[in-house]
Amino acid sequence: AQRVTQPEKLLSVFKGAPVELKCNYSYSGSPELFWYVQYSRQRLQLLLRHISRESIKGFTADLNKGETSFHLKKPFAQEEDSAMYYCALNTNAGKSTFGDGTTLTVKP
Amino acid sequence: GAVVSQHPSWVICKSGTSVKIECRSLDFQATTMFWYRQFPKQSLMLMATSNEGSKATYEQGVEKDKFLINHASLTLSTLTVTSAHPEDSSFYICSARDKRTGRDTQYFGPGTRLLVL
Repeated sequence: AQRVTQPEKLLSVFKGAPVELKCNYSYSGSPELFWYVQYSRQRLQLLLRHISRESIKGFTADLNKGETSFHLKKPFAQEEDSAMYYCALNTNAGKSTFGDGTTLTVKP
Repeated sequence: GAVVSQHPSWVICKSGTSVKIECRSLDFQATTMFWYRQFPKQSLMLMATSNEGSKATYEQGVEKDKFLINHASLTLSTLTVTSAHPEDSSFYICSARDKRTGRDTQYFGPGTRLLVL
């Protein structure tokens, strides 16, 4: 069975500092990995997906199949980045498995 | 574009009653909708996959007779919590997959908070 692990429930950094939210997965098939973000009092929304290889709001994530990781990174965190971040994996059947989430707080 | 709505946004009901939650894709057709349950400070747990015109597929441990799902059209799926009890109190979230873009694009509703007294 597939599994997504986000080892940090809480992460706090200062504005302008680099930030990395960790995500590891286990899945026997070919995974599709995503990062979703949930700002305060808002719905969950897609941040980025590994197949797009794009940068959204300064965030990037690289799929490392050798380490089965999909860490989310941003070189200079902003206060508006404070939110809950979920890493998710889509199986070949299209089902999503979510990690437990990491609450990021960016302090001024 | 790609907006998903849920109704109601919150509901309080007495134990033993049934509650229906609607999930609508407002500007796109969704062949597949998903229902999740989220406990406080925890992750989303997939309950079931709802496919238009066919029976829902439930995840292990989710009672299909307890959580009735109907996906009558390409823009509407409903979740009915039957004979609700306090342990069913939770945050229920639906998502819809855009038919045009395929399997990887999910759009989430704002969620429905259910409190069973």
